[in-house]
Amino acid sequence: DVKVTQSSRYLVKRTGEKVFLECVQDMDHENMFWYRQDPGLGLRLIYFSYDVKMKEKGDIPEGYSVSREKKERFSLILESASTNQTSMYLCASSFPGGYYGYTFGSGTRLTVV
Amino acid sequence: TQLLEQSPQFLSIQEGENLTVYCNSSSVFSSLQWYRQEPGEGPVLLVTVVTGGEVKKLKRLTFQFGDARKDSSLHITAAQPGDTGLYLCAGVPNYGGSQGNLIFGKGTKLSVKP
Repeated sequence: DVKVTQSSRYLVKRTGEKVFLECVQDMDHENMFWYRQDPGLGLRLIYFSYDVKMKEKGDIPEGYSVSREKKERFSLILESASTNQTSMYLCASSFPGGYYGYTFGSGTRLTVV
Repeated sequence: TQLLEQSPQFLSIQEGENLTVYCNSSSVFSSLQWYRQEPGEGPVLLVTVVTGGEVKKLKRLTFQFGDARKDSSLHITAAQPGDTGLYLCAGVPNYGGSQGNLIFGKGTKLSVKP
């Protein structure tokens, strides 16, 4: 069963901490994405990558960085967590073009206190 | 910038009722996809429509792509509590340079009461 796996379902961190969210896919997809999802705001793209070591800013990259050292793994880093980064974070992967759809992970509910 | 507007934003109905969710844009899309997201989970792809005027059926769910490929609808017949969730439409932009990034609507939150 093909899947996208996110390392944590729930995470509680303190303001100012450095936070790592990990995502692994087993479908040999070239493209990988990080979104955050907030009520009323929908899915907002943070960063995406279409190849190893490549990254592109999405709509809301401020306060975040990413790393893609291997094709199957895409990490999201919160350099210094703040309360306004409390959210649901979703990782997704796809073949180029998006025509076959995205496969999403189950999400990480991050709370920053 | 291509946008997808979904309506209604919220829908609360009784089991057995029919409903339609709309996804509209002023722009043309190469294809449109529909996802369902259950509480605490990631979205799951339900269907992709590619051709203008195309209709696809998935059990009690009927998906239609507008003739001009600018809009789509999802119709559910005899809704059941298991249909509860957030329904998202997503479009593949019809212009080059998008790198395959889907454009997502904000979703329709459906609640089906027994």
